[in-house]
Amino acid sequence: EIVMTQSPATLSVSPGERATLSCRASQSVSSNLAWYQQKPGQAPRLLIYGASTRATGIPARFSGSGSGTEFTLTISSLQSEDFAVYYCQQYNNWPQWTFGQGTKVEIK
Amino acid sequence: QVQLVQSGAEVKKPGASVKVSCKASGYTFTSYDINWVRQATGQGLEWMGWMNPNSGNTGYAQKFQGRVTMTRNTSISTAYMELSSLRSEDTAVYYCARGRKGDYWGQGTLVTVSS
Repeated sequence: EIVMTQSPATLSVSPGERATLSCRASQSVSSNLAWYQQKPGQAPRLLIYGASTRATGIPARFSGSGSGTEFTLTISSLQSEDFAVYYCQQYNNWPQWTFGQGTKVEIK
Repeated sequence: QVQLVQSGAEVKKPGASVKVSCKASGYTFTSYDINWVRQATGQGLEWMGWMNPNSGNTGYAQKFQGRVTMTRNTSISTAYMELSSLRSEDTAVYYCARGRKGDYWGQGTLVTVSS
């Protein structure tokens, strides 16, 4: 089973600053990696798929990079609505998903 | 527009079963797989399994093998997830999500298991 590890668990950032979130896979997942945003009481929302392709309607301040086992989600200038929990997910061995444990982005 | 609308909250006793529905609209139901994911309060996302609505083929996470069944009714564009032998640890919000990319999600169904 592929294990996804996210870091840090919590990231404290001031509005307008850059946030960098990391995700590591226990074995290569190629570019079959997605990022989701989840706010309290809401379903997850797809941000990025294919490691770097923004989903429909996602602002350009969200960008994804990486391949193989190391991935990064960058939020270039944090807006108030971006404070949430972010999950990475691999789908390389579809049909099976594996999620990371999440990174909470909180206001500093 | 694409929507996945799930059934309402359920309260079940330990040992019982629950069946959650996920009604799709705005796209061809049989063209995209359906995943089921659950989330216990304050916890992360846990994938439960997958179903191909066209063929009915399914695949389940090992943790749920023998306790979960995913089915569909193509005539009403609805997917179902049934979990049996419920225990308190199954208390969670259950989500359906579309396709390999998970581009659309249902609103979630809270299942509470309590005696």
